[in-house]
Amino acid sequence: QLLESGGSLVQPGGSLRLSCAVSGFTFSDFAMSWVRQAPGKGLEWVSIISGSGATAYYADSVKGRFTISRDNSKNTLSLQMTSLRPEDTAVYYCAKHRRSAPVDDYFDPWGQGTLVTVSS
Amino acid sequence: SYVLTQPPAVSVAPGKPARITCGGNKIGSESVHWYQQRPGQAPVLVVFDDSDRPSGIPERFSGSKFGKTATLTITRVEAGDEADYYCQLWDTTTDHWVFGGGTKLTVL
Repeated sequence: QLLESGGSLVQPGGSLRLSCAVSGFTFSDFAMSWVRQAPGKGLEWVSIISGSGATAYYADSVKGRFTISRDNSKNTLSLQMTSLRPEDTAVYYCAKHRRSAPVDDYFDPWGQGTLVTVSS
Repeated sequence: SYVLTQPPAVSVAPGKPARITCGGNKIGSESVHWYQQRPGQAPVLVVFDDSDRPSGIPERFSGSKFGKTATLTITRVEAGDEADYYCQLWDTTTDHWVFGGGTKLTVL
């Protein structure tokens, strides 16, 4: 079970923190990702973090503005978003990988998503 | 950045097969995964590692790959298969995960 929260309406240039509460598996054993989907558009990978939290990668579109993190003691994945732009408007999904290392892998399962709207 | 190319739309009659393609230079060397996204729902993995099927996914769903093209085949399409389908792989050059643009499957 993956349950996202934290989505809301925010002004351009603002900040927001998303969370993903996880249950049903040993959280620290698996890498986790954020994937977003703008209204009416396709899927875009945003960021991944390894099971230990030591390694993270970001899409070029968010690098330097977003920070992924995890608290393995609380089974929680987070995405801190700063300097938000209208083009960041999307449903943000958290998703589990099958390995701890952030390497060749797929996304399964996905949460239901949380909507972030960046608008003045 | 690396691009995976999918047809925007595919239409098929019920009971007929549907084939959705995904093209890209790295398909021959990387594992391809496929997702189904019904309207208003989160994506669901239907094929992984080119041709494997997760538990709970009907045998009607299968994946294949040849050269620079991967194909998701749905045999005997049903109304419930109407959805958007996305291919995905990992770009080893950039350590980025890449999705195709998506294909809308319409059941006539």
